[in-house]
Amino acid sequence: DGGITQSPKYLFRKEGQNVTLSCEQNLNHDAMYWYRQDPGQGLRLIYYSQIVNDFQKGDIAEGYSVSREKKESFPLTVTSAQKNPTAFYLCASSIKVTGTSLKQYFGPGTRLTVT
Amino acid sequence: EDQVTQSPEALRLQEGESSSLNCSYTVSGLRGLFWYRQDPGKGPEFLFTLYSAGEEKEKERLKATLTKKESFLHITAPKPEDSATYLCAGQGAQKLVFGQGTRLTINP
Repeated sequence: DGGITQSPKYLFRKEGQNVTLSCEQNLNHDAMYWYRQDPGQGLRLIYYSQIVNDFQKGDIAEGYSVSREKKESFPLTVTSAQKNPTAFYLCASSIKVTGTSLKQYFGPGTRLTVT
Repeated sequence: EDQVTQSPEALRLQEGESSSLNCSYTVSGLRGLFWYRQDPGKGPEFLFTLYSAGEEKEKERLKATLTKKESFLHITAPKPEDSATYLCAGQGAQKLVFGQGTRLTINP
């Protein structure tokens, strides 16, 4: 089955620790995205990548970092500089970033809790 | 700045009671209006894409429509399994702008 996998489903960390969230896709999509979702708010874009070894900041990139060394993988690191890291994190992919349709496919999400 | 606003925030209906969810948008050069369904603790699931005013798409009990300023998701004779959060998003030049969602509850 083609799709997007995120691991782990739940993640707990102590304040001050960096943590990396995994995202893998086997859809052969060029573009990948990371979103953050908080209760009562829409999805907010953290980072996106159009191609291997290239990525751009989204609307709320501060305190996060990403890499795109392989087409299939787009890990997100939540650093200790992120002031409110507790949230539900969603990874998505699409065939491309630009064009007439940006239909994005989403993974199951990772719920991160930092105490 | 591109913006998408959904209303109401929450809607509770009885099974079989039809209604509509609203998505108002101001997205420069809109290239598509997307509807997603999201169940608690899961990722959004794609429902529809609308490209131009006047376009309509249907899937089971759901019908999405689009005007130049807003989109509606009409739900006809809903069932309890239609309970979910429904998200809409407008596609701008390079990214999707999401609304905050409408949490729909269908009581049996």
